[in-house]
Amino acid sequence: AQSVTQLDSQVPVFEEAPVELRCNYSSSVSVYLFWYVQYPNQGLQLLLKYLSGSTLVKGINGFEAEFNKSQTSFHLRKPSVHISDTAEYFCAVSDASGTYKYIFGTGTRLKVLA
Amino acid sequence: SQTIHQWPATLVQPVGSPLSLECTVEGTSNPNLYWYRQAAGRGLQLLFYSVGIGQISSEVPQNLSASRPQDRQFILSSKKLLLSDSGFYLCAWSVAGGAYETQYFGPGTRLLVL
Repeated sequence: AQSVTQLDSQVPVFEEAPVELRCNYSSSVSVYLFWYVQYPNQGLQLLLKYLSGSTLVKGINGFEAEFNKSQTSFHLRKPSVHISDTAEYFCAVSDASGTYKYIFGTGTRLKVLA
Repeated sequence: SQTIHQWPATLVQPVGSPLSLECTVEGTSNPNLYWYRQAAGRGLQLLFYSVGIGQISSEVPQNLSASRPQDRQFILSSKKLLLSDSGFYLCAWSVAGGAYETQYFGPGTRLLVL
């Protein structure tokens, strides 16, 4: 079975500063990894995903994430945040063995300060 | 392009009353469909998923049930709501295929049981 840990429940950061949102996973099989963003009272929107290949994945809105198999991590980064990036961010993992289930982390609330 | 609809957007129901939440997908055929619940301060919990009409898999024992009467329609129901059923319910779809397929989320229904 898989599990996902998002170590920070809240991350405050000033506008135009860099940010890293941490995600660690546990799995005995190969996995696929995803980051989603949720704005208040809305559904989730896919930011980026790692399936295979290059470990550095670029997504929408200037976000990127790096898959580190040895550290079982998939941290999300952005070099310069905007006020509009204030939202909740969820990391998710699915196993590569054929099931359809995503396991989500508990989320990290990013608050960008002016 | 594909779109996913959920209604109602918000619902306030008394304990013991029935529930019916609807989700429909447009622009695709034979999607995989999912129901998630997001409780306050917690991540997303997969409740049900479906790979075809009439095919429902339940992930957690609970007071809820799901049905898929048509290819692109997914319904979440309860005969008698509990206080613990309050939360934000999200429907999602993915292309029929493997676990690598991205799940796309609807706008959600906020349910408050009083």
